[in-house]
Amino acid sequence: ETGVTQTPRHLVMGMTNKKSLKCEQHLGHNAMYWYKQSAKKPLELMFVYNFKEQTENNSVPSRFSPECPNSSHLFLHLHTLQPEDSALYLCASSPYPGSGGDNEQFFGPGTRLTVL
Amino acid sequence: AQSVTQPDIHITVSEGASLELRCNYSYGATPYLFWYVQSPGQGLQLLLKYFSGDTLVQGIKGFEAEFKRSQSSFNLRKPSVHWSDAAEYFCAVLNNAGNMLTFGGGTRLMVKP
Repeated sequence: ETGVTQTPRHLVMGMTNKKSLKCEQHLGHNAMYWYKQSAKKPLELMFVYNFKEQTENNSVPSRFSPECPNSSHLFLHLHTLQPEDSALYLCASSPYPGSGGDNEQFFGPGTRLTVL
Repeated sequence: AQSVTQPDIHITVSEGASLELRCNYSYGATPYLFWYVQSPGQGLQLLLKYFSGDTLVQGIKGFEAEFKRSQSSFNLRKPSVHWSDAAEYFCAVLNNAGNMLTFGGGTRLMVKP
């Protein structure tokens, strides 16, 4: 595997379910990100992790719970979601957290989430 | 706070015609600017980036962009569009700390045969 991978690619869940999204980067990067892309809004940054520590939480509801066990893996745990949470969830990674303009982000293909 | 505006939600061009996608940003310091492309069902792929130096930057797939500080713009151009360029294009600005990437709303490009 190369780059940034995300599983599953598609997920349908009920509002009472608990599920998790997984992201893995094979680039040796030290920062990882979750974004939400919905039809009616621009790409929204949700969470930032630098060296496994969460450094940004962009006012995300607690029904989304991120986990970063190491610099290569990032999870997004989902529980009691709402239909408006249906969106494409993108994961990204970058080399140098907080180092300025050289911190290009590489994106995974996303998980298309549908909440019924 | 930084922000990015892409004034055109949809653009349709004929194959072989030239293309310019507009991007305006708001940021208090020298910006780090990016253009990404997203094909249907895919993640974002970086086309090009501007950090400093030459204000005309070359990217992949024959794209280029010009940074104009006086106009707070970073427009994307391509001299001759191919049908495979049909996709959604996003302009983004990265803060100086390198940890906050803010995207514009995107421009969906359609290419007529």
